[in-house]
Amino acid sequence: GIQVEQSPPDLILQEGANSTLRCNFSDSVNNLQWFHQNPWGQLINLFYIPSGTKQNGRLSATTVATERYSLLYISSSQTTDSGVYFCAVTASYDKVIFGPGTSLSVIP
Amino acid sequence: NAGVTQTPKFQVLKTGQSMTLQCAQDMNHNSMYWYRQDPGMGLRLIYYSASEGTTDKGEVPNGYNVSRLNKREFSLRLESAAPSQTSVYFCASSDPRGTDYGYTFGSGTRLTVV
Repeated sequence: GIQVEQSPPDLILQEGANSTLRCNFSDSVNNLQWFHQNPWGQLINLFYIPSGTKQNGRLSATTVATERYSLLYISSSQTTDSGVYFCAVTASYDKVIFGPGTSLSVIP
Repeated sequence: NAGVTQTPKFQVLKTGQSMTLQCAQDMNHNSMYWYRQDPGMGLRLIYYSASEGTTDKGEVPNGYNVSRLNKREFSLRLESAAPSQTSVYFCASSDPRGTDYGYTFGSGTRLTVV
């Protein structure tokens, strides 16, 4: 089946710094999503982005489907950005496979 | 604006006991999913339902059964709980054939099997 890798596995940032998280996938996908899991365990959908670039406030994401990767950019990080960021891809129509996640800690 | 509601939030079972995790969504989504999340393992798909009346196995279906009771509700049953099923369980819904492709997750059920 399709393999999803994320890098880096862990990241520590000073508040105000910028970061880029990467997601690589091993085969063609129908769509790709980015999620944030906060320290209380809640999973929030950040982007649905099968291709191209989207922005939402301080976050933006770019997916280059032909090269099988996606990037999540976090600018001017805040402590509330802490948590785990997952990318998830769909190969067959309804089965979504999650990557292992990037754990982000933003320190004041 | 409830979204996806899971019950219970916490549960402790003894080995061999059975229980059903409930999930309901109010967004008129066609597709619903059950995932488990274990430390260091990310989220793994247990079962999914592409539409009312259909269910399919995911990556880790052994030891579980599901029921898509109607369009709103998708339950997960553990017939004989084992310690290996200690995990956090998430339900999600989406509408990949419509305009709401992205997942909406419930708040999770933390299950401990002793």
